Amino acid sequence: VQLVESGGGLVQPGGSLRLSCAASGFTFSRYGMHWVRQAPGKGLEWVTFIRSEGNKENYADSVKGRFTISRDNPNQMLYVQLNSLRVDDTAIYYCARDGPNYDIDLWGQGTLVTVSS
Amino acid sequence: EIVLTQSPGTLSLSPGERATLSCRASQSITSLAWYQQKPGQAPRLLIYRASSRATGIPDRFSGSGSGTDFTLTISRLEPEDFAVYYCQQRGFSSVTFGQGTKVEI
Repeated sequence: VQLVESGGGLVQPGGSLRLSCAASGFTFSRYGMHWVRQAPGKGLEWVTFIRSEGNKENYADSVKGRFTISRDNPNQMLYVQLNSLRVDDTAIYYCARDGPNYDIDLWGQGTLVTVSS
Repeated sequence: EIVLTQSPGTLSLSPGERATLSCRASQSITSLAWYQQKPGQAPRLLIYRASSRATGIPDRFSGSGSGTDFTLTISRLEPEDFAVYYCQQRGFSSVTFGQGTKVEI
C-alpha cells in the first residue's frame, strides 16, 4: 500500500507544473484524495481534495483559481496542476489518502516544488 | 474556517517522561486526528476520532477530548518519539492543521 509522487522541480514565478501521484496496493477508486504541502521549516497546509468519483473538488483559498486537482481511477493516478506559481508556493507536496474517520491515513513521501527566479 | 491552536510550541523533555500536548479548536468540532512527523519523513497518523489509536501505534500514545479541547499524551517518552506533532480536523469543504508542537530532548 503506497503513494508515490513525482513531477516536482524548479520553476520560475508565474510558471506551471503538474504533479502526479501513483497509488498502489489498494482500490484507489474507493477513496477521496488530498494534496497537502509543507513549506521549508514550516507546518502542514492542506491544499486540495477530490472525491472518490472525481465529481467534486475543494481548494484552500490560497490556491483557488490557480491549482486544479484531478484523478484517473482506472490507472490509479492522482494529479494536481499548479498554475501561476508564486514564490510562496515553494514546498514539499504530499499526496495523501482520505481516511474513513475524517483523517488522512496514508501519505506519500512528497515531491519538492521550488518557485524561484 | 476552523482554526486549530496547538500548545506549547516546543516541549523539552527527557526519555521516560510524560508529554502532554494540547490542541484547541476555534469552534466545536466532531472529530480530531493527531500526526507525528520526523525530519525528512512524511507525517504518520497516530490518533483518529480524538482517542482511537491507528494501526501499529504503541499504547503509550493516547488521545482525549471533545468539543474544542483535545489532548495527546505520550505516557513515557521513547527516543524515537522526539518529533513534531500536528492535530487536524476535517470540515465540510476543507481540512485544517494546527501549527505543530515540537517535542525535543
